[in-house]
Amino acid sequence: AQSVAQPEDQVNVAEGNPLTVKCTYSVSGNPYLFWYVQYPNRGLQFLLKYITGDNLVKGSYGFEAEFNKSQTSFHLKKPSALVSDSALYFCAVRDINQAGTALIFGKGTTLSVSS
Amino acid sequence: DAGVIQSPRHEVTEMGQEVTLRCKPISGHDYLFWYRQTMMRGLELLIYFNNNVPIDDSGMPEDRFSAKMPNASFSTLKIQPSEPRDSAVYFCASSFALAGGPHEQFFGPGTRLTVL
Repeated sequence: AQSVAQPEDQVNVAEGNPLTVKCTYSVSGNPYLFWYVQYPNRGLQFLLKYITGDNLVKGSYGFEAEFNKSQTSFHLKKPSALVSDSALYFCAVRDINQAGTALIFGKGTTLSVSS
Repeated sequence: DAGVIQSPRHEVTEMGQEVTLRCKPISGHDYLFWYRQTMMRGLELLIYFNNNVPIDDSGMPEDRFSAKMPNASFSTLKIQPSEPRDSAVYFCASSFALAGGPHEQFFGPGTRLTVL
């Protein structure tokens, strides 16, 4: 069965400091991995994805994520946080060997960046 | 493309009334998803379609909920009768297909439903 875990409900970081939002996954085959961001009163917006290739994926707004197969992780990172990064972040996974199945979303992590 | 379009953006209704939420997916996308988001339960997948055919409706909470996709450019989620516990934000999302399944999903702005 596919699953994804975001172990932290909330991450607090000061503006200018690096941030990490954690995500681990479980699939039987190879994963497609995604990060989405949700600002208040908005729908989810796609940030970045890993399909294959380079383990370090760069996405929108200066975010990046590193795929680690041995640790089954796909942590979201940014070198220098902005107050405007404060939002709800979702990790999602799909097993590419499970044809037709939907993305599985984590429960979300609230990122709070203080000035 | 205008993205995924949902209507209405806000709906306030009284318990027992029928509610119909509408979604227009991105043109060319093969998959359409309906989600519900609440503070208590987070983001829940209700149902999804592939080429207008329902694939998995196991997330639909009960028989009061139904969804249809009569064509590739339109889907509805209906609640009849509505109850206060149905109050939530309902999102529609669409996706193109890759490697036999849905890929990156694009979300609509959501419909905020309040049932009094």
